[in-house]
Order: sequence, then C-alpha cells, then structure tokens
Amino acid sequence: EIVLTQSPTTMAASPGEKVTITCRASSSVSYMHWFQQKSGTSPKPWIYDTSKLASGVPDRFSGSGSGTSYSLTISSMEAEDAATYYCLQRSSYPLTFGSGTKLEIK
Amino acid sequence: EVQLVESGGGLVQPGRSLKLSCVASGFTFSNYGMNWIRQAPGKGLEWVAYISSGSSYIYYAETVKGRFTISRDNAKNTLYLQMTSLRSEDTALYYCARNIAYWGQGVMVTVSS
Repeated sequence: EIVLTQSPTTMAASPGEKVTITCRASSSVSYMHWFQQKSGTSPKPWIYDTSKLASGVPDRFSGSGSGTSYSLTISSMEAEDAATYYCLQRSSYPLTFGSGTKLEIK
Repeated sequence: EVQLVESGGGLVQPGRSLKLSCVASGFTFSNYGMNWIRQAPGKGLEWVAYISSGSSYIYYAETVKGRFTISRDNAKNTLYLQMTSLRSEDTALYYCARNIAYWGQGVMVTVSS
C-alpha cells in the first residue's frame, strides 16, 4: 500500500499570502490528484494528473511534482479557499488518500 | 448532467448487514469504473472498493475485504455495496464516485447497538 503523508495538517493564511501544501508518497506514483472539501459537502475534484485544474478552479491554484513528492500551491490566498484539501494516488490499488490539510483564513 | 444518488444507509447493529445502492444518470454508466469511498465523522477520506465497467476487475481495501462486496447492474445504472459483519468502525458517510471525477452526496451508515 502506498502511504501518502500530507503536510501541514492545519494552517492559516492571510488574504494574498502564498500557500503550499505538500503530499509525499511512500513509493513513486505516476500522478497526484487533489480534492477540496468544505464542511458538509462532498469532496470536489480540484487538481488532477498532478497539474491540471478541474473545471471552474481558479488559476491561482497550481499543482506540481513527480515521483514521491507533490504539492498544491495557491499563489494568493482568498477567503473562499478555506477548506480541507486531500491528495489521492490512483497509480496502484488500494487507492490511498492523504490525511488532509485544513486551510483557514486569518 | 452527471448525477449519482446513494441510498440504503441507516442505523444497524454490529454484526448485521446492509446494502447500499447508487443510481447513476447523465452518462453511459456501463462505460465507467466506479468506486465506493467513505468518510468517518470528523475524519478523512478512505477508499473502500472499485469495480470496472464490465465487472471484470474488482478491488477492496484491506479493512473491508471479505466483508463487503461491490457489484453493479449496468441495465439498471446502479452500483451496489453489500456490507456484512458490520463493525462500529464502519460508521461513515459512504460516497459512490465515477472513477474519481464525480461524487454523489453520500449516504450515512451508523453501526451501533
């Protein structure tokens, strides 16, 4: 099983601040996928195939990485970006998620 | 518009069984692999099971292997999850998802005496 370690677990950012969330895999994966979840709602696909933004995702978001190290970056934090973000690998079964990063606005 | 609607959840005693359904619409169901993914209250996401479009490939998380069975009826556009020998740790919101791109709203399963 590929274990995904996300960091940080929680963080708070000010409006306009740059935010980076990392996801490290215990073995190399081909791609990383990211989801955004707000309280009481289903997770939404946010970034797929490492760097492709899902439909409707603002371009202040970006994804990058390869092998065992991946990241999600927000170039300039906005209030609507406050949420929990999860990474997911689907390179091998069982599919595994990171434990999540709760991002809050200061 | 892709829609996935789960049903069949509820309160069940430990050791009992429950069957979840997920009705799909807005796409050709028989063309896509489907997943069940769960989220315990206040916790993160956990993948549960996958079934390929024609049911040829099926995979389970170790935590449910031998207790849960994923299946589908392409004629009825419906995905199923048969859950047996339920445990308190199976308490969660269960989502069906088309691959990972589209998710339902989830159905709650509570295992408690």
